Amino acid sequence: EDQVTQSPEALRLQEGESSSLNCSYTVSGLRGLFWYRQDPGKGPEFLFTLYSAGEEKEKERLKATLTKKESFLHITAPKPEDSATYLCAVQEGRGSTLGRLYFGRGTQLTVWP
Amino acid sequence: DAGVTQSPTHLIKTRGQQVTLRCSPKSGHDTVSWYQQALGQGPQFIFQYYEEEERQRGNFPDRFSGHQFPNYSSELNVNALLLGDSALYLCASSARTASSYNSPLHFGNGTRLTVT
Repeated sequence: EDQVTQSPEALRLQEGESSSLNCSYTVSGLRGLFWYRQDPGKGPEFLFTLYSAGEEKEKERLKATLTKKESFLHITAPKPEDSATYLCAVQEGRGSTLGRLYFGRGTQLTVWP
Repeated sequence: DAGVTQSPTHLIKTRGQQVTLRCSPKSGHDTVSWYQQALGQGPQFIFQYYEEEERQRGNFPDRFSGHQFPNYSSELNVNALLLGDSALYLCASSARTASSYNSPLHFGNGTRLTVT
């Protein structure tokens, strides 16, 4: 059973056209939800960590929010350099978990001029 | 400040062979995790090392094994390679401090393994 589901799988936006990416999760006790950006041929680059429902974090044109069942990554006035795959991951809070992350399949974002 | 470094960047092997991938964690980090990322998929957790011991393991067969050295660097070994082992292998490091089990993982750029 998938613990992290991301939608849409792919998103094409015109430069300046704001939108949101969704990450829904089912875990036993969330210890943290993470957003990463991954460029082709590269490893994931850390963006945000969210710990509790209602929390929000911002970085440049990106804003991440968290509810009890899902997280959103809002992209305001995107630019072509924002094109990448955005990965969502969760860390469970049960047992002796030391940091194993469960990743979604990602949303491939393309921003065209 | 060097981030997570992995070697080699690319590798081509034949079915049945064995492979060793290497990882140096980010300066100040003592915990290393390995992930497998198939094309079009999210990373899948293989295992994690701390204090030179395997602390947690994902759903991968015993053909996948690892090691952590006293300087915190790590190796991933895969025996009896299968075509399905072709993937990007990512190493991630973090600092297992007493105050935070949620230290974000910092990833290297991975080793692209192709099994023919």
